[in-house]
Amino acid sequence: ETGVTQTPRHLVMGMTNKKSLKCEQHLGHNAMYWYKQSAKKPLELMFVYSLEERVENNSVPSRFSPECPNSSHLFLHLHTLQPEDSALYLCASSQGNGVNQPQHFGDGTRLSIL
Amino acid sequence: GENVEQHPSTLSVQEGDSAVIKCTYSDSASNYFPWYKQELGKRPQLIIDIRSNVGEKKDQRIAVTLNKTAKHFSLHITETQPEDSAVYFCAASRNTGFQKLVFGTGTRLLVSP
Repeated sequence: ETGVTQTPRHLVMGMTNKKSLKCEQHLGHNAMYWYKQSAKKPLELMFVYSLEERVENNSVPSRFSPECPNSSHLFLHLHTLQPEDSALYLCASSQGNGVNQPQHFGDGTRLSIL
Repeated sequence: GENVEQHPSTLSVQEGDSAVIKCTYSDSASNYFPWYKQELGKRPQLIIDIRSNVGEKKDQRIAVTLNKTAKHFSLHITETQPEDSAVYFCAASRNTGFQKLVFGTGTRLLVSP
């Protein structure tokens, strides 16, 4: 399934770098999500965009900055990250029409902070 | 807010046996309960979901049951196969205009030939 594509697949960066993660969905969905997946922890919801408007910010530090320029694209801008931010970052999309619909995930970006 | 607990954290079975994974949730307003399978190095994939207006749903070897009164739901896999080996996550959400899934901590299922 290639409905949700994330790039890059792997990223190594220093704490002072600035980088961006990209997510693109080809499913015609209108809601997009960023999750953080760390070892031995449940998936943590970070941000939700519905119809290109941010509707949820789950107490995420400001060093993570999301951007949703249109309903097909979602970015996560990274700046001055900490070692504990090393994790798998997953993007997902769904048809957000007020009725719960399945979320479809991308393969994720494995982020390592040096 | 919602809290989802999942048990067991690891489960080892022999091929052909059944496997059961259980989750409990705290928010009585939750009405959607998906299950995801994540193989090593791969994306979580939806395998089955259930809404609060039904008590059971089945898809071939996989079934999910929901007890709204007790606020728990379970995943049942029958006739397990080695390719069923993966981490399984349960989740819960309510209708809020957008979907806010709260996930369990995952169950690592190992099916031995």
